[in-house]
Amino acid sequence: KQEVTQIPAALSVPEGENLVLNCSFTDSAIYNLQWFRQDPGKGLTSLLLIQSSQREQTSGRLNASLDKSSGRSTLYIAASQPGDSATYLCAFSTQGGSEKLVFGKGTKLTVNP
Amino acid sequence: DARVTQTPRDKVTEMGQEVTMRCQPILGHNTVFWYRQTMMQGLELLAYFRNRAPLDDSGMPKDRFSAEMPDATLATLKIQPSEPRDSAVYFCASGLVTLGLAGNNEQFFGPGTRLTVL
Repeated sequence: KQEVTQIPAALSVPEGENLVLNCSFTDSAIYNLQWFRQDPGKGLTSLLLIQSSQREQTSGRLNASLDKSSGRSTLYIAASQPGDSATYLCAFSTQGGSEKLVFGKGTKLTVNP
Repeated sequence: DARVTQTPRDKVTEMGQEVTMRCQPILGHNTVFWYRQTMMQGLELLAYFRNRAPLDDSGMPKDRFSAEMPDATLATLKIQPSEPRDSAVYFCASGLVTLGLAGNNEQFFGPGTRLTVL
């Protein structure tokens, strides 16, 4: 069974700190990997999509990397702000089922002013 | 501003009642997904459609759940009869999915329907 693990489950940091969220997956035949943000009581917002041929993607203060050989992805957030407080989920799809995303349970981030 | 819409946003019902959740995908998207989110299980894929045809509903309890897409602008998820264990947030997502090496399966989520079955 394909699994996605996100560590830590929760993280609390002071404003301005740079931080890294981790995501590991069990299937090396990855098609692509997507990072989402979920605010309380809201749906998921797509942040970054890394295609299987890519190693990283950047958007503003966010940078996501993908290492298929080790089965890991990281989301780097620079100069964190209180508005970054949310749950961050990673999800991957495989070559054999590229439409279907398998989600981790997320990392709940709190950025304290 | 194109977005996925879902109705109702909240639903409280009693065990045994029928529940219907609706989703309007983003215009032009060819694939629609239904997910369920709980604290214990996280996000689980229930079913999905490509060009309105059901492709996979293996994540759905078949005896009580049904998903349909009567037209390109409406997807429905029905539970009959509902049970307390169905209490969860149900998300619809859509995407313009293209396959192959340069494919794209980015998904865009609606705000969800929070279902409580008493």
